[in-house]
Amino acid sequence: DVKVTQSSRYLVKRTGEKVFLECVQDMDHENMFWYRQDPGLGLRLIYFSYDVKMKEKGDIPEGYSVSREKKERFSLILESASTNQTSMYLCASSLRFVGTDEQFFGPGTRLTVL
Amino acid sequence: KNEVEQSPQNLTAQEGEFITINCSYSVGISALHWLQQHPGGGIVSLFMLSSGKKKHGRLIATINIQEKHSSLHITASHPRDSAVYICAVRLNSGGSNYKLTFGKGTLLTVNP
Repeated sequence: DVKVTQSSRYLVKRTGEKVFLECVQDMDHENMFWYRQDPGLGLRLIYFSYDVKMKEKGDIPEGYSVSREKKERFSLILESASTNQTSMYLCASSLRFVGTDEQFFGPGTRLTVL
Repeated sequence: KNEVEQSPQNLTAQEGEFITINCSYSVGISALHWLQQHPGGGIVSLFMLSSGKKKHGRLIATINIQEKHSSLHITASHPRDSAVYICAVRLNSGGSNYKLTFGKGTLLTVNP
């Protein structure tokens, strides 16, 4: 079974702090994704990566950056956390090839920025 | 306008009822996914469809490509089916087609 793990289930940070959210997958997937999920808005893509050191902006990249130094690990960075970044953050991974694009999700990190 | 629309937003049912959740999309797609999210939990993929119909246990998913519409049916619903059900599509837009576009979800509550 594919396992996608996230470093924290719950996180509380203060405005202006630098925040790292870590995601690790154990199935050698090429693609990894970071989403945020907010009530009434659904899942929105922040960034995705299709290979080591490769990344593309999603729909809402402002205020975020990412890092993919190893295939299994994809980090989301909030350079200076703000209260409007309070949200549920979900990581996912999938195989590269079109037609096998089932995404496997991590358990989520609920981030609160005070 | 959201490219993926789900209805209803909220659905309450009694145990044993037959349930239908609908998903409509406005652009060409190459695949459609149905996902399930339990309260406080992660998201699990239920189905991936590009045509026709798929069945897994009490769950059935159908898609009509011409009408740009998909349905998720749950037969003999049970309280453990209570969850948010999310429709997501992979657009036929070329380029970076690894991305999914998500509906806002349908919150299903099944009462005993």
